[in-house]
Amino acid sequence: EVQLVESGGGLVKPGGSLRLSCAASGFSFSNAWMSWVRQAPGKGLEWVGRIKSKTDGGTTDYAAPVKGRFTISRDDSKNTLYLQMNSLKTEDTAVYYCTILNLRLRDAFDIWGQGTMVTVSS
Amino acid sequence: QSVLTQPPSVSGAPGQRVTISCTGSSSNIGAGYDVHWYQQLPGTAPKLLIYGHSNRPSGVPDRFSGSKSGTSASLAITGLQAEDEADYYCQSYDNSLSSVVFGGGTKLTVL
Repeated sequence: EVQLVESGGGLVKPGGSLRLSCAASGFSFSNAWMSWVRQAPGKGLEWVGRIKSKTDGGTTDYAAPVKGRFTISRDDSKNTLYLQMNSLKTEDTAVYYCTILNLRLRDAFDIWGQGTMVTVSS
Repeated sequence: QSVLTQPPSVSGAPGQRVTISCTGSSSNIGAGYDVHWYQQLPGTAPKLLIYGHSNRPSGVPDRFSGSKSGTSASLAITGLQAEDEADYYCQSYDNSLSSVVFGGGTKLTVL
């Protein structure tokens, strides 16, 4: 069974840092393009960024609101995706979802984790 | 304000047909980028419902269908059921923003 399990969320002060993890299982993680999508409380979905597979270059892209502050990385030996979040702002408060970007489904977000809550507050 | 515009809410009685629109522009849907639809049941993660404008992943009932015309896309749900009550989001890519974009979401209420 394909599964994504996020962890690492919590309460952090403005200006602080947090690292989220996403443990993947049930599929070939090293070949997968992965993304992070977030959802502020009571709001809609917002794309955060994407990382390609290493065989496709391993490059990353980010949404404008997080560029320069967030970094997506992967450890294929551990089947784990990461989101390093620095200089956090109150507007970064959201549930953060890890998703598989499925190239065979026209780049749709195929499988989603259950999400992890990040609260940025003093 | 979302780049893709969806109605905040739609409703319908059981058995009826409802449609949810997703209006974009020449830099996203109109530029030929794929439109995908997601269903988010209360308190759960989103689930892929339609990909590439009109394709259903395995396991999605054929009561759900998608279409695209010009700078807009639509999701249609026929034979409405109580369990369809959820938030629905469209998603595409915008080349002026160089970013994946989502619609603001539509809350479907089954009366």
